[in-house]
Amino acid sequence: IVLTQSPATLSLSPGERATLSCRASQSVSRYLAWYQQKSGQAPRLLIYGASNRATGVPDRFSGSGSGTDFTLTISSLEPEDFAVYYCQQRNNWPLTFGGGTKVEIK
Amino acid sequence: QVHLQESGPGLVKPSETLFLTCAVSGYTVTNGYYWGWIRQTPGSGLEWIGSVSRGGAAYYNPSLQTRVSISLDKSKNQVSLKMTSVTAADTAVYYCARGDRNLDYWGQGTLVTVSA
Repeated sequence: IVLTQSPATLSLSPGERATLSCRASQSVSRYLAWYQQKSGQAPRLLIYGASNRATGVPDRFSGSGSGTDFTLTISSLEPEDFAVYYCQQRNNWPLTFGGGTKVEIK
Repeated sequence: QVHLQESGPGLVKPSETLFLTCAVSGYTVTNGYYWGWIRQTPGSGLEWIGSVSRGGAAYYNPSLQTRVSISLDKSKNQVSLKMTSVTAADTAVYYCARGDRNLDYWGQGTLVTVSA
């Protein structure tokens, strides 16, 4: 299953709303997760099961969608949110990742 | 608290075999979950290498499956990766992680460079 993330880069200012998209080449039900990766760090799980926040994740992060279309929304960007975001599915093997969306400071 | 720590040679010569281990603390690997390896080439995205279940069932990335083997070492509570016939294209940061539907714990990663 191929996951296509868009846009590749999102240029926004702190306080703005970020909307990231992940589209699957076939249905993954709700087995879709989102990760945040900062430079030099391992990815961090943000969202699992399409819409469930992982432990310790601020409520400005939210996920939605099912089937083939998913969205990660950051309601109001904080300085620490500028990073790369990946989606991942394991409805079927092989496990796959999207290509990532970089959220950069405008 | 679950903690994963990768270790390995750092530098491997082309055509050689790469061995990496991931020491797990705070959780017994045979109690549940899948345990997997993911790599990331400099400036690129994440590539799943493979995962193994607590019972030893393994799944691999089709593009790597002829060269890769992942296993659990119950006595040491660790996860191992073996990759044969490495090339420069295998130069990457290698991460181990817990889970499959979602990967909730990750190691810090270890850089492997393939060079003569």
